Amino acid sequence: EAGVTQFPSHSVIEKGQTVTLRCDPISGHDNLYWYRRVMGKEIKFLLHFVKESKQDESGMPNNRFLAERTGGTYSTLKVQPAELEDSGVYFCASSRGRLASTDTQYFGPGTRLTVL
Amino acid sequence: GENVEQHPSTLSVQEGDSAVIKCTYSDSASNYFPWYKQELGKRPQLIIDIRSNVGEKKDQRIAVTLNKTAKHFSLHITETQPEDSAVYFCAAEGSNYKLTFGKGTLLTVNP
Repeated sequence: EAGVTQFPSHSVIEKGQTVTLRCDPISGHDNLYWYRRVMGKEIKFLLHFVKESKQDESGMPNNRFLAERTGGTYSTLKVQPAELEDSGVYFCASSRGRLASTDTQYFGPGTRLTVL
Repeated sequence: GENVEQHPSTLSVQEGDSAVIKCTYSDSASNYFPWYKQELGKRPQLIIDIRSNVGEKKDQRIAVTLNKTAKHFSLHITETQPEDSAVYFCAAEGSNYKLTFGKGTLLTVNP
């Protein structure tokens, strides 16, 4: 079974530019999560999709962040315009069910975003 | 919402020694506590978890304990090996069904 994949692995952009991150979950996993880890801090929840619907986007920092999951397969996270504080590692995770206690969340390798 | 505190932030041990990482949580309704290990350049991977109906769980050299009254849980690694070196994250699934993570512990096992 292929794992969660993310693209790109690294992205370096200048402040004010736009970046789009992509996540391909494990096939058959309806639940898809985006997290972010800023240097030295916790892995912080951003949002949760169930199929193509946003179940919970309470962790999204502001309206510069837009996540989509058209068709309920892969997801994209766009940052526009990027700011310095957006730098960090963006993780995607997927699971079959919505409860971590019954369905393990499998993480992707992350995208390291650096905003200069 | 849930708040998870993790200590220490860094831990250095000699090969063969034990390592203990501690976490506290705030949401008394939390009932699931996973631990993830992230090796350098790799993805976080679930290594062990515990549910609120048990106090301890063991899997070979790793074990997790849970004290619901005190709202804390700990990861114990015995007979540490260099390949145990990684960042370890604790997490709690709260009443909002989200995983809240600690800040991570960088464990270094010195040969």
